[in-house]
Amino acid sequence: DAGVTQSPTHLIKTRGQQVTLRCSPKSGHDTVSWYQQALGQGPQFIFQYYEEEERQRGNFPDRFSGHQFPNYSSELNVNALLLGDSALYLCASSLFGRGESYEQYFGPGTRLTVT
Amino acid sequence: DAKTTQPNSMESNEEEPVHLPCNHSTISGTDYIHWYRQLPSQGPEYVIHGLTSNVNNRMASLAIAEDRKSSTLILHRATLRDAAVYYCILRDKNTGFQKLVFGTGTRLLVSP
Repeated sequence: DAGVTQSPTHLIKTRGQQVTLRCSPKSGHDTVSWYQQALGQGPQFIFQYYEEEERQRGNFPDRFSGHQFPNYSSELNVNALLLGDSALYLCASSLFGRGESYEQYFGPGTRLTVT
Repeated sequence: DAKTTQPNSMESNEEEPVHLPCNHSTISGTDYIHWYRQLPSQGPEYVIHGLTSNVNNRMASLAIAEDRKSSTLILHRATLRDAAVYYCILRDKNTGFQKLVFGTGTRLLVSP
């Protein structure tokens, strides 16, 4: 059973460019979340997708956008890249549900460097 | 979002028990207490969670104070592989949307 996969592993972009990161959730999961992790910090929530809609959003500008496909995979797009966008981008998948808590499974991340 | 407070770092020797504390004085009655850990160069991984009672699984134990304002993650015998950053996180059980709010966590160093 494949876990959460992300691509690419590493990426180098120039300021002002646009980037797309991809995520495939763990089999059976229907919810995908994206997090940004700067060096030495804990992951920061960007947004979460369920049923192909953005359901929750963290404190990130609208340069950050996403998409979820019918097969539950997801993309994170970042426009007009800034040096401060350099970070590890983590995708996490889970199963939607209230009540008993469902754990989130994280991928290995995509390391984005903006020069 | 309810906040948690953890020590920045802790040290342990291999095969000794480790107690990682977490304070969450503003916890609400519907908040679950989650623990995740992040090994070097990996994404975070779930460790354990609980609501009111102490919990055990194959990885660790979670001891929750009676007033729920603090909790302790217990690794019964630390191994070198347990060296990681441990995050204590609160999540409201009444929402199906599962945003996790990470702090800076506790960096656990394990010596042979």
